[in-house]
Amino acid sequence: EPEVTQTPSHQVTQMGQEVILRCVPISNHLYFYWYRQILGQKVEFLVSFYNNEISEKSEIFDDQFSVERPDGSNFTLKIRSTKLEDSAMYFCARTGGYGYTFGSGTRLTVV
Amino acid sequence: DQQVKQNSPSLSVQEGRISILNCDYTNSMFDYFLWYKKYPAEGPTFLISISSIKDKNEDGRFTVFLNKSAKHLSLHIVPSQPGDSAVYFCAATNSVSGGYQKVTFGTGTKLQVIP
Repeated sequence: EPEVTQTPSHQVTQMGQEVILRCVPISNHLYFYWYRQILGQKVEFLVSFYNNEISEKSEIFDDQFSVERPDGSNFTLKIRSTKLEDSAMYFCARTGGYGYTFGSGTRLTVV
Repeated sequence: DQQVKQNSPSLSVQEGRISILNCDYTNSMFDYFLWYKKYPAEGPTFLISISSIKDKNEDGRFTVFLNKSAKHLSLHIVPSQPGDSAVYFCAATNSVSGGYQKVTFGTGTKLQVIP
C-alpha cells in the first residue's frame, strides 16, 4: 500500500478553470510538500505545509495556488485559474528520514 | 538559478557494465545529497544518499561519491541491469531541522540499460 496516495492520476481541464489535486499521506507526519515537474524539466519545489500552515513557498506558488488540509488527512493543492503553463506532473510528498516519500503524482493537462 | 545541475540529459549503457551519473551543485550550504529514481507515471523513489561528512556511500550495486571541494557527486551502478532504466535525479538539502527539509532537484538523467 503506497504511503502517499494522490488523486486523480490524470486531470484534463480547460484554461481558466479551477482544479483541486488531492493527496492522502497515510502516516501521521507533520510536514508535507508539493512539487511539480513540467515535462522534461526538473522537479520544482512549490510549497511546504506544516501544522496546517504554509511554512515556505517558491516563486512559482503565486496567488493562483493554495494549499489546505481541510479534514486533517487529505492535503489539497488548488489552482484557481489554470494556465497552459500549469500543465505538469504534480507530486505530493512527506518527509521520512533524510528524504521524501513521494506520491505517484497527478498529471495535469490544461487545454 | 540552477543550484543542482545534471549536465547529461541521457546515458546509454550495456547491461553488465558500469553506469556513472554525474551531478554538480553550487550552494555551499547543502550538506546532504540524495539520488532518486523515477519511472514514467510514478513519483520519484529514494535510492541512496550521502552526508557531506562522507565521501562515499555504498548500497549493493549503487555507490555515491562526493567530492566537496569540487562540489560534485556521482552515482555508480555496477553492474547495470535493464530494470535500472529510468530517470535519475540528483538532489540536495540542508540538514533536517525539526523535520522540515526542502530538497532541490537537478534536471535528471535518463539512463537506458541495453540488454
